[in-house]
Amino acid sequence: GQNIDQPTEMTATEGAIVQINCTYQTSGFNGLFWYQQHAGEAPTFLSYNVLDGLEEKGRFSSFLSRSKGYSYLLLKELQMKDSASYLCAVIDSNYQLIWGAGTKLIIKP
Amino acid sequence: DVKVTQSSRYLVKRTGEKVFLECVQDMDHENMFWYRQDPGLGLRLIYFSYDVKMKEKGDIPEGYSVSREKKERFSLILESASTNQTSMYLCASTLGGVSGANVLTFGAGSRLTVL
Repeated sequence: GQNIDQPTEMTATEGAIVQINCTYQTSGFNGLFWYQQHAGEAPTFLSYNVLDGLEEKGRFSSFLSRSKGYSYLLLKELQMKDSASYLCAVIDSNYQLIWGAGTKLIIKP
Repeated sequence: DVKVTQSSRYLVKRTGEKVFLECVQDMDHENMFWYRQDPGLGLRLIYFSYDVKMKEKGDIPEGYSVSREKKERFSLILESASTNQTSMYLCASTLGGVSGANVLTFGAGSRLTVL
């Protein structure tokens, strides 16, 4: 079966750095998304990786290793507003999206 | 910005009732999707549509149906609601096939409770 694993919950301190990991076992790979979802709100697009390496976008970066079936989202200079769930999703060989259960990130002052 | 609007944010229904969840997008997107989101599980695809009057089953279509009479509107129908359909329902749309250039845009969700 197809599977995406993320930690259920993480806690970090305001101003610090946190890395949220995502490992996947899917039938094929055509790209990986990270979405942010604040409680009670719509998931919003953060990043997309299809080639190995690091994509940087302001305080957020996303890394992909296709050979390892692994990605991470790196959040720097954490702010209270970064408290949210972070969803990892992979496009499989049939161009269907497979979603992880999400990581709830709690930021403490 | 693309906007996806789900008309009902919170609904409470009784077992056996017929439930309509409406979703409207304003950017002429071809593809529309209905997901349900439950704690501890990834988003699960119920149905999707790639054109007016077209529909395709997703991973968990049982107990649901959909309607797409107009390009901008995609409705999810629970013919006879059951307690195991208590969930958050998310509508999404894309211009074309999902890719880095065509990301899913989501609505804010409809939280349905079935008593």
